[in-house]
Amino acid sequence: RKEVEQDPGPFNVPEGATVAFNCTYSNSASQSFFWYRQDCRKEPKLLMSVYSSGNEDGRFTAQLNRASQYISLLIRDSKLSDSATYLCVVNSNTGTASKLTFGTGTRLQVTL
Amino acid sequence: DVKVTQSSRYLVKRTGEKVFLECVQDMDHENMFWYRQDPGLGLRLIYFSYDVKMKEKGDIPEGYSVSREKKERFSLILESASTNQTSMYLCASSNPTGVDHEQYFGPGTRLTVT
Repeated sequence: RKEVEQDPGPFNVPEGATVAFNCTYSNSASQSFFWYRQDCRKEPKLLMSVYSSGNEDGRFTAQLNRASQYISLLIRDSKLSDSATYLCVVNSNTGTASKLTFGTGTRLQVTL
Repeated sequence: DVKVTQSSRYLVKRTGEKVFLECVQDMDHENMFWYRQDPGLGLRLIYFSYDVKMKEKGDIPEGYSVSREKKERFSLILESASTNQTSMYLCASSNPTGVDHEQYFGPGTRLTVT
């Protein structure tokens, strides 16, 4: 079983739609969680962290369910510029450095 | 702005060649990482370093070595390149006391081994 699992998509949605991505992780000792965004042929960049209480940043909402080992990302009012691959990322602290484990990503294509 | 640079965007090497990939960051970060990214497999950690001259194996270190002689520079070495090392290589750095341990990535080096 992969440490971090995501549906690869692609998710094809019209502009203005709401779309949700899910992710599961296998290590119950994982300490922190993130969503990174990767545009085509570009490097990944941090989109947002995921907190137990849930957190929101504009049109983006992230949720964590530790009991089910499940993370989600909700995008409201999708824009063309949201088209990208969204990487679910889990941090397991080795004690010497924070080690991030990346999911394979979910591709989103927003269309007119 | 944090800047992570990698020595080449594209590189073509022959099987058996020794290959050096260089990464430099300008934010005085302690931690540096080398990943490879392949379709369907995502980013996989090869090696990381949390201090000068310190290194730790990641998930797929076989066939690779690293060097960190200066804080800002982290090199990935392929001792004898093989075709299965054809991939996109991404370097990253982070501040261990930074918010959320955010990792900042370089633009990547697409390596083709023929």
